[in-house]
Amino acid sequence: DTEVTQTPKHLVMGMTNKKSLKCEQHMGHRAMYWYKQKAKKPPELMFVYSYEKLSINESVPSRFSPECPNSSLLNLHLHALQPEDSALYLCASSETGGAGGPYGYTFGSGTRLTVV
Amino acid sequence: DQQVKQNSPSLSVQEGRISILNCDYTNSMFDYFLWYKKYPAEGPTFLISISSIKDKNEDGRFTVFLNKSAKHLSLHIVPSQPGDSAVYFCAASGNDMRFGAGTRLTVKP
Repeated sequence: DTEVTQTPKHLVMGMTNKKSLKCEQHMGHRAMYWYKQKAKKPPELMFVYSYEKLSINESVPSRFSPECPNSSLLNLHLHALQPEDSALYLCASSETGGAGGPYGYTFGSGTRLTVV
Repeated sequence: DQQVKQNSPSLSVQEGRISILNCDYTNSMFDYFLWYKKYPAEGPTFLISISSIKDKNEDGRFTVFLNKSAKHLSLHIVPSQPGDSAVYFCAASGNDMRFGAGTRLTVKP
């Protein structure tokens, strides 16, 4: 299995809702990542879970909270989001931590989030 | 601070011709430079990479060139095929991975 699976593929939520994005990989990779991508912009790193340690991009607001139940799962909990949080959320994994070396990351297909 | 830049948002070429996608970076400490390809409704997929100590890496129709003095890399696709139509992201890795904004390549039959 060489895939990173993200669910749901699409999500529409209100500003008072609580929802979760799920990401799963079964490649035995030791690092997982959440990226946010707005249209015509580069993916921006939000969180890294590497070797059982969580690293947070300090610019990410607290209405986003990651959770890593085990080494194969990395969830992203969403609460009280704003319309400007609407974006494509990409999950990725790499065999080792850091920047993934010459083979980079394996990405999921993303969750298209719309906040209304 | 955008450390990796792709200044051309789009590129259109004829089938069979060469496609050249460009990327500039500002940080000399990157270890690897990578190209990802993204189709609609799919995540980016790894295409080819180059170590910072090399100046060329070739894989089939795809060749990446690195010019360290100019802090510039390019991806050449020869010959271009309609199936190559996608968004191409340049990325640079050091302590983490930084991405460019992407270039949409359209290969016309």
